[in-house]
Amino acid sequence: GAVVSQHPSWVICKSGTSVKIECRSLDFQATTMFWYRQFPKQSLMLMATSNEGSKATYEQGVEKDKFLINHASLTLSTLTVTSAHPEDSSFYICSAIEDSNQPQHFGDGTRLSIL
Amino acid sequence: EDKVVQSPLSLVVHEGDTVTLNCSYEVTNFRSLLWYKQEKKAPTFLFMLTSSGIEKKSGRLSSILDKKELFSILNITATQTGDSAVYLCALNSGGSNYKLTFGKGTLLTVNP
Repeated sequence: GAVVSQHPSWVICKSGTSVKIECRSLDFQATTMFWYRQFPKQSLMLMATSNEGSKATYEQGVEKDKFLINHASLTLSTLTVTSAHPEDSSFYICSAIEDSNQPQHFGDGTRLSIL
Repeated sequence: EDKVVQSPLSLVVHEGDTVTLNCSYEVTNFRSLLWYKQEKKAPTFLFMLTSSGIEKKSGRLSSILDKKELFSILNITATQTGDSAVYLCALNSGGSNYKLTFGKGTLLTVNP
């Protein structure tokens, strides 16, 4: 149980392109989903927390207009990197939680490369 | 501000060895401490600890929490090459968002 699917797993695109990443909880309803960014050999840095039907809560230093988050249903959250540039290249990972007594379960991540 | 410190940052052992990974923390409002294993993709869940002194066990892996001394350990016995990974400790300090604060991880390399 507790499977989180993230798509796509790898994206390579030109600078200026907008990229959408999907995160789905497959066998449970996620009250909250999280988006992380991870640079090589670094730990996970939380970007934003997303609750279904409400606006995402962004961490300090994360640009809301750059990283658009939509959590339209209890099983789907999307992260759109708008007008991506090479410095946005990173590993983006989502996680989902069913309730406060359960651990966060992670998707497989999306490796984003902006040329 | 909540803080998670893991040690060592990296460790190289031979197959069959036993390893102990450490995680110490500072927190204002403790809810739970979690261990994850990260190989090439995203982290996979190992343990969630909420109470002191109760060991959680899964095969060759076990973990325990000490809420008085503010630390947790993850033990791996009879290590195998497949145990090679980054092991992440994360703190859930409650609040309405259930967000996690991660340590920098311990890179474990198990050589044949």
